[in-house]
Amino acid sequence: AQSVTQPDIHITVSEGASLELRCNYSYGATPYLFWYVQSPGQGLQLLLKYFSGDTLVQGIKGFEAEFKRSQSSFNLRKPSVHWSDAAEYFCAVGLLIQGAQKLVFGQGTRLTINP
Amino acid sequence: NAGVMQNPRHLVRRRGQEARLRCSPMKGHSHVYWYRQLPEEGLKFMVYLQKENIIDESGMPKERFSAEFPKEGPSILRIQQVVRGDSAAYFCASTKTAGQETQYFGPGTRLLVL
Repeated sequence: AQSVTQPDIHITVSEGASLELRCNYSYGATPYLFWYVQSPGQGLQLLLKYFSGDTLVQGIKGFEAEFKRSQSSFNLRKPSVHWSDAAEYFCAVGLLIQGAQKLVFGQGTRLTINP
Repeated sequence: NAGVMQNPRHLVRRRGQEARLRCSPMKGHSHVYWYRQLPEEGLKFMVYLQKENIIDESGMPKERFSAEFPKEGPSILRIQQVVRGDSAAYFCASTKTAGQETQYFGPGTRLLVL
């Protein structure tokens, strides 16, 4: 069955430090991969997505992610975090079923920023 | 250009009551997806609808839950005879077409069952 694993439930980094959030997926075909961010009490905002092509994907707010097929991974990175990056981050794989795409999400990684 | 709208944002119900959650997709979007987020968990797919059609309801609980997306008006997720385990955040997302498209999410409805 298709699944997404985010191994880190909670990560704390200092403001200005670099960040990497891990995501591993299990999917037989070429995956469509997404990273969403959820601020407390809010909906989900798309950070970036990978459909095909260049395996290094640039997103909003200075985030990037790299698709590595050999490792079944799609890790999210940011060179220098800001206090406003504190939020919950979700990795998802898109499954094309009956002509439409439904998303399978990981359990999320909560990011805390130390001043 | 308004995004995906959901109302109410917060809903409190007592056990046995009915909950109705509404979702208005983005302008020009005719495909709606509902997801449920239980506390401390990721979102789980419930149902996918196009106007007047349920396309995939494989994630819907077999009883008490139903969804519709009429020709006019918002999509409705209806939960009958709510139980405490239904307490969760319910999100809808919309796309313009089927296929591989970015889903745009609404702010969610947080349901609390007392």
